[in-house]
Amino acid sequence: DGGITQSPKYLFRKEGQNVTLSCEQNLNHDAMYWYRQDPGQGLRLIYYSQIVNDFQKGDIAEGYSVSREKKESFPLTVTSAQKNPTAFYLCASSKLWSYSEDSPLHFGNGTRLTVT
Amino acid sequence: AQTVTQSQPEMSVQEAETVTLSCTYDTSESDYYLFWYKQPPSRQMILVIRQEAYKQQNATENRFSVNFQKAAKSFSLKISDSQLGDAAMYFCAYRRIQGAQKLVFGQGTRLTINP
Repeated sequence: DGGITQSPKYLFRKEGQNVTLSCEQNLNHDAMYWYRQDPGQGLRLIYYSQIVNDFQKGDIAEGYSVSREKKESFPLTVTSAQKNPTAFYLCASSKLWSYSEDSPLHFGNGTRLTVT
Repeated sequence: AQTVTQSQPEMSVQEAETVTLSCTYDTSESDYYLFWYKQPPSRQMILVIRQEAYKQQNATENRFSVNFQKAAKSFSLKISDSQLGDAAMYFCAYRRIQGAQKLVFGQGTRLTINP
């Protein structure tokens, strides 16, 4: 079955360390997204990519970096510059938008990152 | 910038009853999509229902329906015959029609179903 795999489910890091969250999809989707979820808040967009080797900043990109070397993969690095990295991170993917078809956004199961 | 507001942090309803979750949004666009997502304890995001702003007819999906008031920028979700499995966080979301699926989410409403 096609889907989005995020690993690991739980991740623990010490403050000052960079950490990379994995996101892999086998849905053949062109677009991929990273969202952050904090308690009492909805999801906020960190980065997104609509094509390999290209990506754009979302609303809260500071302290994060991404790469899109393969269509299937969109890893997110939480750098030491991110002031409050502890959060739940969700990856998503979709087909590119077109007038004839608007496909839904597919979400992974998320990674809970705790930085102490 | 577009914003989405859910003014009810928590709601509860008796099993088999009907509950309505509120959502308001702000945008200068005339065409856009609105969504309700469900996030159960597993934290998987599940699309419940979608509404295109250019359609006047309110979307329905089985026990779920919306009341879309475009002029008032209101988009409420009605859950009929509530079931225990409906217990979850519910998020209202907005996005523009064209381009990347950059969703703007509300803060969420935690729905509890009382048996």
